Amino acid sequence: LAKTTQPISMDSYEGQEVNITCSHNNIATNDYITWYQQFPSQGPRFIIQGYKTKVTNEVASLFIPADRKSSTLSLPRVSLSDTAVYYCLVGDRGGATNKLIFGTGTLLAVQP
Amino acid sequence: EPEVTQTPSHQVTQMGQEVILRCVPISNHLYFYWYRQILGQKVEFLVSFYNNEISEKSEIFDDQFSVERPDGSNFTLKIRSTKLEDSAMYFCASEWSMNTEAFFGQGTRLTVV
Repeated sequence: LAKTTQPISMDSYEGQEVNITCSHNNIATNDYITWYQQFPSQGPRFIIQGYKTKVTNEVASLFIPADRKSSTLSLPRVSLSDTAVYYCLVGDRGGATNKLIFGTGTLLAVQP
Repeated sequence: EPEVTQTPSHQVTQMGQEVILRCVPISNHLYFYWYRQILGQKVEFLVSFYNNEISEKSEIFDDQFSVERPDGSNFTLKIRSTKLEDSAMYFCASEWSMNTEAFFGQGTRLTVV
């Protein structure tokens, strides 16, 4: 499974767009990129998943460049309730293993 | 929105006792998981379960751990003889197919004293 690197923490203010970048230099051909969010004392919650280019849903966008060695989670107009840990996960979950491997994540702190 | 339900939310047990953590996955899901998170640490994979058998387990999931899907709706994690280091949040997760969204429960906080 590809190792991921993301910032330990980020600060933002309400109403701003936040971009969290994750690097995954050893991503394999069959690997997908998935982002999860976790609030304190709660289970992780799926945000978005993509393979290449751009994916958008009602809560976020995921930008993946052509070489797929990094990805950026974009959260538009964050609010205080977006304060959480954000995890970037990379793996072939349709292959021999379908487990999720979590790193340390990025703690996003949104200030008023 | 459908959700994964875990009970109890908090369990305190004495070292050496057996505990059973219970989960009700989303009804049409086929893949089931247990993860744990020691306070302040990463979420760690324990075991995956599909078609009534374990499909993968981690090094953490030793002989003291077992999983069962006794009745087609519940999914349980048993720890036979708890140790202090088993204290953690235990999360159950389910998904209907591989490479789809995994839904996590709210967790059971296990405290071994």
